[in-house]
Amino acid sequence: SQQGEEDPQALSIQEGENATMNCSYKTSINNLQWYRQNSGRGLVHLILIRSNEREKHSGRLRVTLDTSKKSSSLLITASRAADTTSYFCATGSGGSNYKLTFGKGTLLTVNP
Amino acid sequence: DADVTQTPRNRITKTGKRIMLECSQTKGHDRMYWYRQDPGLGLRLIYYSFDVKDINKGEISDGYSVSRQAQAKFSLSLESAIPNQTALYFCAVGGAYGYTFGSGTRLTVV
Repeated sequence: SQQGEEDPQALSIQEGENATMNCSYKTSINNLQWYRQNSGRGLVHLILIRSNEREKHSGRLRVTLDTSKKSSSLLITASRAADTTSYFCATGSGGSNYKLTFGKGTLLTVNP
Repeated sequence: DADVTQTPRNRITKTGKRIMLECSQTKGHDRMYWYRQDPGLGLRLIYYSFDVKDINKGEISDGYSVSRQAQAKFSLSLESAIPNQTALYFCAVGGAYGYTFGSGTRLTVV
């Protein structure tokens, strides 16, 4: 079963607005990663946050992690039409048997 | 050339046929993975391999088999394809710092 669950399933905003997506998970993790899916095909890695970190920034992306609540959020600031796609959170766990478990994704639509 | 290459890009096959999806990588990673994506279900792990001699079942391995022919090559086989195996299949490589995905194989079983 999925480890991560994104919320909302779909989000529609206007260009220039901020978009926030949330991810909840069930078990302990080593890290949490966010990916976007390009052109309905391959996923592209966006950002990683370790279990001992609370916040990470990369360009217009801001990720937070609350391990006590087992949740993370991805904020995209000043959204653009090109940000329209699906976003997935993935939880990494397993130590030497490390692997990623993906959520179901949030479909973001940025309207011009 | 892409870091992770999947072939074929699209494939339509008939129920009961055997089909192989291939993945090759130029990133030099030991770890390779096969996922399938279904609408509304996200990505689910089918098989993964941490080196040539280490193959592991994932969440949904029934009906699938894999072969790690070399460090750079990891193929996924459907021994007898069925319609509910219609999906988008992804190969990925990497480890704890992130995965690199191929462009996927869109498989339709009719």
